[in-house]
Amino acid sequence: DQQVKQNSPSLSVQEGRISILNCDYTNSMFDYFLWYKKYPAEGPTFLISISSIKDKNEDGRFTVFLNKSAKHLSLHIVPSQPGDSAVYFCAARSGGGSQGNLIFGKGTKLSVKP
Amino acid sequence: NAGVMQNPRHLVRRRGQEARLRCSPMKGHSHVYWYRQLPEEGLKFMVYLQKENIIDESGMPKERFSAEFPKEGPSILRIQQVVRGDSAAYFCASSPGQGGLQPQHFGDGTRLSIL
Repeated sequence: DQQVKQNSPSLSVQEGRISILNCDYTNSMFDYFLWYKKYPAEGPTFLISISSIKDKNEDGRFTVFLNKSAKHLSLHIVPSQPGDSAVYFCAARSGGGSQGNLIFGKGTKLSVKP
Repeated sequence: NAGVMQNPRHLVRRRGQEARLRCSPMKGHSHVYWYRQLPEEGLKFMVYLQKENIIDESGMPKERFSAEFPKEGPSILRIQQVVRGDSAAYFCASSPGQGGLQPQHFGDGTRLSIL
């Protein structure tokens, strides 16, 4: 049972345009959401995060939106650059207790065409 | 991924041998997490440790797998009597603490291949 779902395995975008990566979750106990970027043969690199008490967080070209009622979050990259081509993972963490682990989606491979 | 150091980067073992994967967390981080990634899959949580304590091992197979994070030295993920299905990328992450909104930072992983 996948608690974090990224339904698009891949996305292709033209350089300069907006990239929108989507993520859905099922567990209403998640209180913290993160996006990671991963290049081949490297570990995931933290990009941006959002607390469940917010609906938007922005950092430079990256903005994450959270819609709690729909259990949906999205990552917007604008303008997209060829160097953004990578696999993007959405992750979520349950709040409280001793659960510090992250639950990851399967990832979306973003290709930004020059 | 500067900071979290994993070694070796690649490890080849024959079926039945033991595999030891090491992880040194970022400076100042006392929480370590191990994840496994199979091809075309996301990362799956295995175990969460603090110094000398296993906090959560709910994602780790009950047999053949063990993890430790001693007072001195790196965290070790140990797989005994490896089988072909253990072939995967194993990633370690660290964070300064479990509370609050603190992202986990990942190493570049160990790619384990079982012959």
